[in-house]
Amino acid sequence: AQSVTQPDIHITVSEGASLELRCNYSYGATPYLFWYVQSPGQGLQLLLKYFSGDTLVQGIKGFEAEFKRSQSSFNLRKPSVHWSDAAEYFCAVASSGGGADGLTFGKGTHLIIQP
Amino acid sequence: GAVVSQHPSWVICKSGTSVKIECRSLDFQATTMFWYRQFPKQSLMLMATSNEGSKATYEQGVEKDKFLINHASLTLSTLTVTSAHPEDSSFYICSATGSPSQTGELFFGEGSRLTVL
Repeated sequence: AQSVTQPDIHITVSEGASLELRCNYSYGATPYLFWYVQSPGQGLQLLLKYFSGDTLVQGIKGFEAEFKRSQSSFNLRKPSVHWSDAAEYFCAVASSGGGADGLTFGKGTHLIIQP
Repeated sequence: GAVVSQHPSWVICKSGTSVKIECRSLDFQATTMFWYRQFPKQSLMLMATSNEGSKATYEQGVEKDKFLINHASLTLSTLTVTSAHPEDSSFYICSATGSPSQTGELFFGEGSRLTVL
């Protein structure tokens, strides 16, 4: 069975500083990996996804993530955070690209931005 | 991108009543829809998967008689929480995938917050 671990429940970053959110997955085959952001009381918005090819993927809002098979990781990064980035971030894995089997989510990382 | 809409966005009901939540794909045909449940400050847990015209497949531990899912058309799935109790209070989110090809992405609704008094 596939699983996702987000080791950090909360992260506090100063505005303008760089950010890295960690994600480790467990899956027997090549995973399909996603990062979603959720603002309070709202649904999920896809930031980026990895299926194959270049292991460094670019997403919306200036986010990027790097797939490292040897470390079973898919960490999310942003060089300079903005106050509007404060939200809950979820890493997810699927067994198929179209998500036909649904997604397995990590428990999320709550990002707090300090002024 | 494709749009998935949920209605209502929030609902308050009395214990023992039933509540229906709708999930619509507005600009694509959703062959598969998923229902997730999210408790406060926790992750999303998949409840069930529904394919148009078929019975839903429920995850282990989810009561199918409690959470009735209907996916009667390619643009609409409904989740009915029957005889709701306070412990059913949660944030319910649907997502959809389908045709035309939306390879690589599930589209999520805005979520529906249920509060059972």
